[in-house]
Amino acid sequence: SQKIEQNSEALNIQEGKTATLTCNYTNYSPAYLQWYRQDPGRGPVFLLLIRENEKEKRKERLKVTFDTTLKQSLFHITASQPADSATYLCALADNYGQNFVFGPGTRLSVLP
Amino acid sequence: DTEVTQTPKHLVMGMTNKKSLKCEQHMGHRAMYWYKQKAKKPPELMFVYSYEKLSINESVPSRFSPECPNSSLLNLHLHALQPEDSALYLCASSQEGTEQFFGPGTRLTVL
Repeated sequence: SQKIEQNSEALNIQEGKTATLTCNYTNYSPAYLQWYRQDPGRGPVFLLLIRENEKEKRKERLKVTFDTTLKQSLFHITASQPADSATYLCALADNYGQNFVFGPGTRLSVLP
Repeated sequence: DTEVTQTPKHLVMGMTNKKSLKCEQHMGHRAMYWYKQKAKKPPELMFVYSYEKLSINESVPSRFSPECPNSSLLNLHLHALQPEDSALYLCASSQEGTEQFFGPGTRLTVL
């Protein structure tokens, strides 16, 4: 069966450092992978999407990589700020975006 | 308008009640989704509508009944729920193959 893992349930880092979150998957061949941010009691908010034929995507302080051989995505937040503290979810989808599965999430805390 | 709205924000119901959750989007998206999220867990996909037709039902119990009256609206009808059905219910929409836009959710408590 499909399985998605994110490197840790919780991650604490110091303000200004780079946060690196990992998403690994098995028994899945996604057409694309997405990262979302979720704050407590609110719906997830889309951050970045990377397709299976892309290696890297960037958006402001965010960077995502996608290695379909390793079945892994890395998500980086550079120059982290306390406002970046949230739960980050990776999600896999097929070409039609319908077989949509979220990973368990990593709760990031950026300490001042 | 890049917003997905959901009503109500909170709902408390007994196990014999019938209630409905509503979701609306005006972004012209053709896919709409219902998710269930328990505390400290990721959202779990329940239903997918594509072009107003139910395309995915992830083995959800029949006490949950989705409805898509038109391309902008999505309902989730609830009947004879159990206390373990208490959760945050999220609606989302997207164009196929792109990011999903989520609503703020309905916090459901079943007594």
